[in-house]
Amino acid sequence: AQSVTQLGSHVSVSEGALVLLRCNYSSSVPPYLFWYVQYPNQGLQLLLKYTSAATLVKGINGFEAEFKKSETSFHLTKPSAHMSDAAEYFCAVCPPGAGSYQLTFGKGTKLSVIP
Amino acid sequence: DVKVTQSSRYLVKRTGEKVFLECVQDMDHENMFWYRQDPGLGLRLIYFSYDVKMKEKGDIPEGYSVSREKKERFSLILESASTNQTSMYLCATRDSLAKNIQYFGAGTRLSVL
Repeated sequence: AQSVTQLGSHVSVSEGALVLLRCNYSSSVPPYLFWYVQYPNQGLQLLLKYTSAATLVKGINGFEAEFKKSETSFHLTKPSAHMSDAAEYFCAVCPPGAGSYQLTFGKGTKLSVIP
Repeated sequence: DVKVTQSSRYLVKRTGEKVFLECVQDMDHENMFWYRQDPGLGLRLIYFSYDVKMKEKGDIPEGYSVSREKKERFSLILESASTNQTSMYLCATRDSLAKNIQYFGAGTRLSVL
């Protein structure tokens, strides 16, 4: 069975400060990993994905994440927060391979950006 | 761009009513999913369908059923709505050729009174 833990249900940063959202996974094999963002009253939008290629993955809106197998982590970072980054962020995991249907989601981290 | 359309953004229903939530996709994806989203619980999978007329239970199927008669449409049915089914419902499709990426609709916020 696989699981995802997001540390911190709420994170606040100042505009221009570093954003760090934490995600740890539990899986018997190196999984595929995803970060999604949800803006208020909208569905989820894919930010970036890790699928066993480069361990440092760049996504949209200046976000990136690094897969660290030894730490079973896939933390999301952005060097400088913008007001428009305020949203809820979800980390998700699935087993590798085309036959794996299900994503398992973390409980989400709500990011607030203080002007 | 992938388009996943959920028929209603907001719904208010009464306890005991039969409720249909509709989802339509325009990308010919074989796999479709229904999730519910509750504060502090993240997304939980209710049902998914890997092809027309095929369905599998997710983690929380109790009180729900689904229908997939056509590839582009996946319906979630609440046979007899209850107040504990008040939630945000999200539909998603999966691109099996693109490393399991799922694409989401905007969601339906259902209130059962």
